[in-house]
Amino acid sequence: AQSVSQHNHHVILSEAASLELGCNYSYGGTVNLFWYVQYPGQHLQLLLKYFSGDPLVKGIKGFEAEFIKSKFSFNLRKPSVQWSDTAEYFCAVAPPGGYQKVTFGTGTKLQVIP
Amino acid sequence: NAGVTQTPKFRVLKTGQSMTLLCAQDMNHEYMYWYRQDPGMGLRLIHYSVGEGTTAKGEVPDGYNVSRLKKQNFLLGLESAAPSQTSVYFCAARRTGENQPQHFGDGTRLSIL
Repeated sequence: AQSVSQHNHHVILSEAASLELGCNYSYGGTVNLFWYVQYPGQHLQLLLKYFSGDPLVKGIKGFEAEFIKSKFSFNLRKPSVQWSDTAEYFCAVAPPGGYQKVTFGTGTKLQVIP
Repeated sequence: NAGVTQTPKFRVLKTGQSMTLLCAQDMNHEYMYWYRQDPGMGLRLIHYSVGEGTTAKGEVPDGYNVSRLKKQNFLLGLESAAPSQTSVYFCAARRTGENQPQHFGDGTRLSIL
């Protein structure tokens, strides 16, 4: 069975600091990878996704993620965070065609201090 | 566009009461899902549906039932609510085909006393 680990549960950064949130997955085959963001009081929204091709994926709002197959990782990065990035971030993994088999990580709460 | 709409947004129930959460989508997506979100546990899949008239169990189905009588609606029922079902419930919809992300509703915050 697939699983997703997000090791950082709560991250506090000052504005303009760089961000990297870890995501590791376990699955034996090809995977589809996602990062979702949940702003306070709102629903989950897709930040970016990786299916194939360039392992460096760029998403909305200046976020990017790098798929490193050898490390089973899909870390989320942003060079300079803003107060408005305060949210909870979820990594998710699914096998190709596995429409029901999306597994979410436990989430990382990011707090950006002005 | 409304996307995925969940009703109600909040509800407080007493132990043993029943209720139904409604999820409606206007995107004509085939797949629909119900998740619960609990602190420190991420999202866990309760039930899902791959089309009108079909439903299947997810990771944590016990205590819940679902129905997909119409393509645009996916209902989640609690027959006899328990305090352990206090949670935030999210519905999601997804179109068919590879590499499609899920679109989530705004959630229903349910408290069982």
